[in-house]
Amino acid sequence: DQQVKQNSPSLSVQEGRISILNCDYTNSMFDYFLWYKKYPAEGPTFLISISSIKDKNEDGRFTVFLNKSAKHLSLHIVPSQPGDSAVYFCAASAGGFKTIFGAGTRLFVKA
Amino acid sequence: DTGVSQNPRHKITKRGQNVTFRCDPISEHNRLYWYRQTLGQGPEFLTYFQNEAQLEKSRLLSDRFSAERPKGSFSTLEIQRTEQGDSAMYLCASSLVRTGEVLSNQPQHFGDGTRLSIL
Repeated sequence: DQQVKQNSPSLSVQEGRISILNCDYTNSMFDYFLWYKKYPAEGPTFLISISSIKDKNEDGRFTVFLNKSAKHLSLHIVPSQPGDSAVYFCAASAGGFKTIFGAGTRLFVKA
Repeated sequence: DTGVSQNPRHKITKRGQNVTFRCDPISEHNRLYWYRQTLGQGPEFLTYFQNEAQLEKSRLLSDRFSAERPKGSFSTLEIQRTEQGDSAMYLCASSLVRTGEVLSNQPQHFGDGTRLSIL
């Protein structure tokens, strides 16, 4: 039962353009959503999060949007840089307990 | 370096052997989590501790798996009688949950994992 889904296994973007990574969830009890970035041979690194009481959170080049009615969130990276090339995981939790991760989207940013 | 530390980074063993991994969380963090990640998948929750108490275990955690956090600091994950299906990356994460706050959501900080290969 995949409660968090990332339907795009990979995404390729030109340097300087916008990267949009998408995530869908099924559990309406989720109240906290996160994005993690992962480089090869390293653990996931926390990127940005959003509480269910908000619909947008911004941190520098990274913005997360939450659409609760559609059970959808997205991560926007503007402008994209080659160093952003990594696997991005969407994750969600309910009540501050265990976190459920999506399968990840591999982002390639071409110079 | 005050991040989450996991040892060993790699473990290769024969099927049927027991293995033990160690995780040292960020020192002030009271929650510690174990995840398993296989190729092409995201981390799958195994179990977590609040201080020394193990509060939840996934159904993925069969009776061959046991985790401890005896003094509320470092944790160990042991797999007995390993099987080939146990081959995976085992990730540890920690977070600080402040009691008394209405919203206790805090991001988890991950170690670099222990890669287990069963021959």
